[in-house]
Amino acid sequence: SQQGEEDPQALSIQEGENATMNCSYKTSINNLQWYRQNSGRGLVHLILIRSNEREKHSGRLRVTLDTSKKSSSLLITASRAADTASYFCATDVRYNFNKFYFGSGTKLNVKP
Amino acid sequence: ETGVTQTPRHLVMGMTNKKSLKCEQHLGHNAMYWYKQSAKKPLELMFVYSLEERVENNSVPSRFSPECPNSSHLFLHLHTLQPEDSALYLCASSQAGTEGPKKLFFGEGSRLTVL
Repeated sequence: SQQGEEDPQALSIQEGENATMNCSYKTSINNLQWYRQNSGRGLVHLILIRSNEREKHSGRLRVTLDTSKKSSSLLITASRAADTASYFCATDVRYNFNKFYFGSGTKLNVKP
Repeated sequence: ETGVTQTPRHLVMGMTNKKSLKCEQHLGHNAMYWYKQSAKKPLELMFVYSLEERVENNSVPSRFSPECPNSSHLFLHLHTLQPEDSALYLCASSQAGTEGPKKLFFGEGSRLTVL
């Protein structure tokens, strides 16, 4: 399977703490993306990191990519209750930018 | 509002019914996707249409039949479904091409319950 796999499956933290989620994948990729899903809703794109990048920032989000280990991490700093959602990594297929594979997601609960 | 609209948002059907899910995108994209999301499972890529041509069919049972009449509309026709087909069906679109990364824009999903 080419799907990404997120870890942990669930994470519960207090508001203000940092949340770290990990993603592992199996095949060579062009890019890795992170998406967020509020309960029962569609997924929303958060951030994209290219295979030749190692780290990327967007606001309170920090993404790292280690292609040698085929893994990525998403760090949300100073979490807020509004960050409560499921987070998914998505990988494409090397030389094919048009197919995207997702894992089961990490369910983040930020307690106020 | 993501620019991708799915209808209906909720659907309950019996195993002998025939129904359809509809997806419409207003983003000018040329690729559309159906994903199936079941509890505690990875999102399952079902179908991909690029430039109105089906380019991916991940061994989906024939009781699911996609249709893409133009680059803005995508349907998923459902017939003689099984209870295990109950799930959230997500439509997405992107601007397909051979250069550069793409990102997906998702609709809000259609929650299907098969009785």
